[in-house]
Amino acid sequence: DVKVTQSSRYLVKRTGEKVFLECVQDMDHENMFWYRQDPGLGLRLIYFSYDVKMKEKGDIPEGYSVSREKKERFSLILESASTNQTSMYLCASSPTTRGQYFGPGTRLTVT
Amino acid sequence: SQQGEEDPQALSIQEGENATMNCSYKTSINNLQWYRQNSGRGLVHLILIRSNEREKHSGRLRVTLDTSKKSSSLLITASRAADTASYFCATDHGSGNTGKLIFGQGTTLQVKP
Repeated sequence: DVKVTQSSRYLVKRTGEKVFLECVQDMDHENMFWYRQDPGLGLRLIYFSYDVKMKEKGDIPEGYSVSREKKERFSLILESASTNQTSMYLCASSPTTRGQYFGPGTRLTVT
Repeated sequence: SQQGEEDPQALSIQEGENATMNCSYKTSINNLQWYRQNSGRGLVHLILIRSNEREKHSGRLRVTLDTSKKSSSLLITASRAADTASYFCATDHGSGNTGKLIFGQGTTLQVKP
């Protein structure tokens, strides 16, 4: 079974802190994705990566950056956390176009 | 940019009844996928239907696709309390082989025992 893990299930950070969310997949998938999920807004794509060191902006990249130094790991970075970044963050990986495998999510609260 | 729009937003049924959820999208697709999300968890891939397919089955799930109407439906037959979850459609518009999807806002299904 494909396993996608995220570094934390719950995280509380202060405004202005730098926040790292880590995602690791164990199935050698080329593609990895970061989404945020908010009530009434569904899933919105922040960034995705289709290969090591390759990344593309999604629909809402502002305030975020990403890093993919190894194929199995895709990190989401909040350079200076703000309260409007309080959300559920979901990571996913995908071999090509056959569907995405999601991690359990990280619920981030910025106070 | 939201593509999939699901209808209804919320659905409440009794155990044993069938549940039908609909999804509409705006531009042509390679495939359409349905996912389930239990409260506070990640999404789980249920089924994928390609643009040249009209119907697909998986256990108690039946998915139809009408590309002329740009719509899809997910039918869950003989529902169980364990089917209580949010269901999302997601569309693949063929942006290379990235597997990039656009998700709808979801239908929340409650199955009462």
